[in-house]
Amino acid sequence: DAGVIQSPRHEVTEMGQEVTLRCKPISGHNSLFWYRQTMMRGLELLIYFNNNVPIDDSGMPEDRFSAKMPNASFSTLKIQPSEPRDSAVYFCASSSDTVVGYTFGSGTRLTVV
Amino acid sequence: SQQGEEDPQALSIQEGENATMNCSYKTSINNLQWYRQNSGRGLVHLILIRSNEREKHSGRLRVTLDTSKKSSSLLITASRAADTASYFCVPNSGNTPLVFGKGTRLSVIA
Repeated sequence: DAGVIQSPRHEVTEMGQEVTLRCKPISGHNSLFWYRQTMMRGLELLIYFNNNVPIDDSGMPEDRFSAKMPNASFSTLKIQPSEPRDSAVYFCASSSDTVVGYTFGSGTRLTVV
Repeated sequence: SQQGEEDPQALSIQEGENATMNCSYKTSINNLQWYRQNSGRGLVHLILIRSNEREKHSGRLRVTLDTSKKSSSLLITASRAADTASYFCVPNSGNTPLVFGKGTRLSVIA
């Protein structure tokens, strides 16, 4: 298995633009998590899905952030419009009831200028 | 969900020495997990210890758990430069997402 795949690896965008981050979880994993990591705030949970259904999005900072999981093999995190304070590394992770621990992707480093 | 508090925040040792990182948490758990994050990379699951276990080994890693003190420790023996990373402990109470603290930044100097 190739692991959790995130794209793009790096994204530089101008303030006000729409940004879409993508994640492909490990096949067979039924839970998917989006985290954001900054030096100041550490690793924050934004939203998580179970069996493609959003369970808790209380970590999503503002209405500018939205996430979808249209099927078991794909999820997106969208920021519209983006702001400089959204600059961070965004991680996707997946897990299942039968597997120990979470598997993280390599992250998307987002820079909003 | 609860997060662990790792101690120390940063640790610097010479290659070949042992590294010990500690973790404290607040409420009862089902298990406690340790993760490693190399610079610029995603987190990697290292080891899970269940609440009814007191010690667990995996290669050069040794994890202890004291539920009466709500604490855990991670020992890395014979450290290598490649062990340089941040280490996170994550207490897990059940069917809630994992919450990560600030971690311990380990530097192993060759």
